[in-house]
Amino acid sequence: DVKVTQSSRYLVKRTGEKVFLECVQDMDHENMFWYRQDPGLGLRLIYFSYDVKMKEKGDIPEGYSVSREKKERFSLILESASTNQTSMYLCASSRPKGRNQPQHFGDGTRLSIL
Amino acid sequence: AQSVSQHNHHVILSEAASLELGCNYSYGGTVNLFWYVQYPGQHLQLLLKYFSGDPLVKGIKGFEAEFIKSKFSFNLRKPSVQWSDTAEYFCAVMTGSGNTGKLIFGQGTTLQVKP
Repeated sequence: DVKVTQSSRYLVKRTGEKVFLECVQDMDHENMFWYRQDPGLGLRLIYFSYDVKMKEKGDIPEGYSVSREKKERFSLILESASTNQTSMYLCASSRPKGRNQPQHFGDGTRLSIL
Repeated sequence: AQSVSQHNHHVILSEAASLELGCNYSYGGTVNLFWYVQYPGQHLQLLLKYFSGDPLVKGIKGFEAEFIKSKFSFNLRKPSVQWSDTAEYFCAVMTGSGNTGKLIFGQGTTLQVKP
């Protein structure tokens, strides 16, 4: 079974801090994704990566960056945290689109910025 | 722009009632469609998926969905809900060129089943 592990379930940080959210998958998936989930807005794509060191912006990349140095690990970085980045962050991984495979999600990190 | 719309934001049903959650998408190309469920305190799980073939798709836990291309819809159904179906449900469309397979999600529908 696919396992997507996010390093923290809950995280509290202060405004202006640099915040790192880590995600690891154990299925050798090529694609990895970061979403944020907010009530009434569903999930919105922040960044995704289709290969090591490759990244593309999603729908709401402002204020975020990502790093993928190894295939199994995809990090989301909040360069200077702000209160409007308080949210639930979900990581997902998948095979390439043509393989007809769904995305698999981690448990999420609930991040609070004070 | 591509989008997914879920008509019902909050649904309250009694046990044994039938369920239908609406989902419409706007995307002109070939789509892959999904319903995910998030039980309280748990991660997002795949309920069912449509890639091609029979437009009536059966998923886990007695759920099914029908892809109607002419209506750009992918509604989720269950004949008789249980209290354990209380959760948030998300419809999603996979788009994107190449192999990336980005998902666009609807706003989500919170289902509350009363025992």
